Amino acid sequence: EVKLVESGGGLVQPGGSLTLSCAASGFTFGNYWINWVRRAPGKGLEWVANINEDGSQKFYLDSVKGRCTISRDNAKNSVYLQMNSLRAEDTAVYYCESVGAATWGQGTLVSVSS
Amino acid sequence: EIVLTQSPDFQSVTPKEKVTITCRASQSVVNHIHWWQQKPDQSPKLLIKYVSQSISGVPSRFRGSGSGTDFTLTINSLEAEDAATYYCHQSNGFPQTFGQGTKLEIK
Repeated sequence: EVKLVESGGGLVQPGGSLTLSCAASGFTFGNYWINWVRRAPGKGLEWVANINEDGSQKFYLDSVKGRCTISRDNAKNSVYLQMNSLRAEDTAVYYCESVGAATWGQGTLVSVSS
Repeated sequence: EIVLTQSPDFQSVTPKEKVTITCRASQSVVNHIHWWQQKPDQSPKLLIKYVSQSISGVPSRFRGSGSGTDFTLTINSLEAEDAATYYCHQSNGFPQTFGQGTKLEIK
């Protein structure tokens, strides 16, 4: 079964940090771009960042650039999103997804609040 | 940023009807349009990628078409299990963006 499973979300204070993980299974992970997408409460889907097959290309939403770092470890079939200087507006369910692999994870909730 | 506008926002339909959902982009996305289906309490499921490419395991009643800025998801002979929210998604422009969603209710 083709699958992406996110983890690492939680409650964090403004200015804090979190690292989200996305573990893949059921497909050749290293052949696909991976996106991180989020949905804030009451809002639509928002693309956050993505990374190419070998990790040499990375792109970020302007509002997270400089605060987030996407990376991947193809040996571990995983992609990561390190998030620093978190703000209230980063509160959302974060998903990893891949059009190429035709799969979307179940999401992990990040809450930024004091 | 490329804005994707879906229509309608909501549609109530009966089984066996043919349903058409449109997605209009504010500028050309070439063929980088994908369609996702999300049911309550589930993650989105990819129905169609790159305008019209079918996905393994997705029923053949789901079809995509279009080019440039105007795209369509057609569901032929709607079934009760198709009750869901449908999103278009473009991966051509930076940043990638999603439509606001079209909720289908089955009468």
